[in-house]
Amino acid sequence: DAKTTQPTSMDCAEGRAANLPCNHSTISGNEYVYWYRQIHSQGPQYIIHGLKNNETNEMASLIITEDRKSSTLILPHATLRDTAVYYCIVRPTGNQFYFGTGTSLTVIP
Amino acid sequence: AAGVIQSPRHLIKEKRETATLKCYPIPRHDTVYWYQQGPGQDPQFLISFYEKMQSDKGSIPDRFSAQQFSDYHSELNMSSLELGDSALYFCASSPWDSRSDTQYFGPGTRLTVL
Repeated sequence: DAKTTQPTSMDCAEGRAANLPCNHSTISGNEYVYWYRQIHSQGPQYIIHGLKNNETNEMASLIITEDRKSSTLILPHATLRDTAVYYCIVRPTGNQFYFGTGTSLTVIP
Repeated sequence: AAGVIQSPRHLIKEKRETATLKCYPIPRHDTVYWYQQGPGQDPQFLISFYEKMQSDKGSIPDRFSAQQFSDYHSELNMSSLELGDSALYFCASSPWDSRSDTQYFGPGTRLTVL
């Protein structure tokens, strides 16, 4: 069962930062926070993951609160190609993903 | 970089027929996961394999079976197909890593049951 809560939809202006929040108040100590996105009917694409430290890669940054009960995915300069459904998932290693409903992000020109 | 390969990409079957979906994981990935995504729904976990053994099971119907072979590719066998089986089927693979095992998804197989 999904253990995360995300807004259903968000808009972001092209070129601006997109900040996607996720609540995971029941997260356990060994559970990682993963972010994936799915562009219409394509396979989910891995973005980033973290345990308790903030993480950054070429796609995005992940900010995890100190109590680990919430996190924010930041796309620093959103483009039209970033329009997708973004899934925040928490899971311990070795278990399947429960995707939940995700946030539908629309980047507006 | 090599990605997960799924075949076929599209499949059309009649009710009560059988279907076999194939998944070729990223090289050196020993764990395979299968997901089903119905129209307008989120991906739902079906089953996973680690080193050719079933490692976890989700909401997979009894009509479906799967296995992982010695070369780590996996096949999802679906029998007595129903209209409700029409969906996207994704395979994902990951390396076994006790710290974190990121799953990498394939492009999916779109199954249409008529």
